[in-house]
Amino acid sequence: GEDVEQSLFLSVREGDSSVINCTYTDSSSTYLYWYKQEPGAGLQLLTYIFSNMDMKQDQRLTVLLNKKDKHLSLRIADTQTGNSAIYFCAESNNNDMRFGAGTRLTVKP
Amino acid sequence: DADVTQTPRNRITKTGKRIMLECSQTKGHDRMYWYRQDPGLGLRLIYYSFDVKDINKGEISDGYSVSRQAQAKFSLSLESAIPNQTALYFCATSWGTEAFFGQGTRLTVV
Repeated sequence: GEDVEQSLFLSVREGDSSVINCTYTDSSSTYLYWYKQEPGAGLQLLTYIFSNMDMKQDQRLTVLLNKKDKHLSLRIADTQTGNSAIYFCAESNNNDMRFGAGTRLTVKP
Repeated sequence: DADVTQTPRNRITKTGKRIMLECSQTKGHDRMYWYRQDPGLGLRLIYYSFDVKDINKGEISDGYSVSRQAQAKFSLSLESAIPNQTALYFCATSWGTEAFFGQGTRLTVV
């Protein structure tokens, strides 16, 4: 089946930039997403990018998509302790939505 | 009120018991999903439904069944629960680009 892969852990210092990477295999992906999960909560959509775009910026969040390499990244500028959470990459081909295992971001003061 | 409500939020059940997890949504979306979350594995799709008459298996449907009782309701059943079905279960609904998730049901099978 199609896969979405991301590293499980990332630790940064407060104020630094965080970059979370994701690779996927489905070449028919239409949308790619980043979701955030805080402890005890469901997933909340952070941002998404359409597959014909290569970059999207939303305040401190920058999403880069390299469709040729099937690589998606999420950059959080000036990371704060409140950004500590699990971040899920997901892709959709208009049928189902497939998720990566999630990257646990820890922000140290 | 939450857009997607799951009940119960927590449940402990014994091996071999039948259990139903319920989900209702107020978004008015046609698409609904059930996922399970396991540490290190992310979310894996169990079943999804694009409307009341449409039910599709996801990647890990064995041991599960679903019922789409109405546009707003999508329930997940474990006919005979087993310990490796211990997980956090999420219901979601979507239309277009965004999926909205429930708070999750933590199920423990002992």
